Amino acid sequence: DAGVIQSPRHEVTEMGQEVTLRCKPISGHDYLFWYRQTMMRGLELLIYFNNNVPIDDSGMPEDRFSAKMPNASFSTLKIQPSEPRDSAVYFCASSHGNQPQHFGDGTRLSIL
Amino acid sequence: QQPVQSPQAVILREGEDAVINCSSSKALYSVHWYRQKHGEAPVFLMILLKGGEQMRHEKISASFNEKKQQSSLYLTASQLSYSGTYFCGTEILGGTSYGKLTFGQGTILTVHP
Repeated sequence: DAGVIQSPRHEVTEMGQEVTLRCKPISGHDYLFWYRQTMMRGLELLIYFNNNVPIDDSGMPEDRFSAKMPNASFSTLKIQPSEPRDSAVYFCASSHGNQPQHFGDGTRLSIL
Repeated sequence: QQPVQSPQAVILREGEDAVINCSSSKALYSVHWYRQKHGEAPVFLMILLKGGEQMRHEKISASFNEKKQQSSLYLTASQLSYSGTYFCGTEILGGTSYGKLTFGQGTILTVHP
């Protein structure tokens, strides 16, 4: 079975540019999570969805970050405008209810 | 609040045992354990549920003390493949946090031959 699929795997862009990260969850999973991982802050939950509806976005750093889930098989995390401090690994994960979360391979984002 | 893991790092020789602890200030419904190898995604190890039994995955087992809001991960006869960073993720009891995990800061485990 296909796992959680994220794209791109790596992204290098200049400060001020718009960045869009994409995620395809495992089919049948009703929860989708976006995490950010850095050495300083560890693994932080940014936002999560249940049945395509955002449930908790309290972890979203600021208005520059937005996330959407237009359907059960696709979600995006957008940063506009991007800043160097946004550099991190961004993981998408999905689960069925409160069962194990399955993580994608992550997007390594570098903002110059 | 983020759960607190201890120790922050541990170094072992192959075959030695280790214990990693995870402590929360809030009442918990479940504790999830994950392992992450360098440059890879976290991988699920096991879930411990409120009222549930101690779990085991190969030579790794875990316990959950609901009264103390603590969980421990036991690695027995460690293998080189156990090296990585171990995270606990806690799900708070009640409220509107169903399915939401808050992860600890991680414990770096290094196993040497």
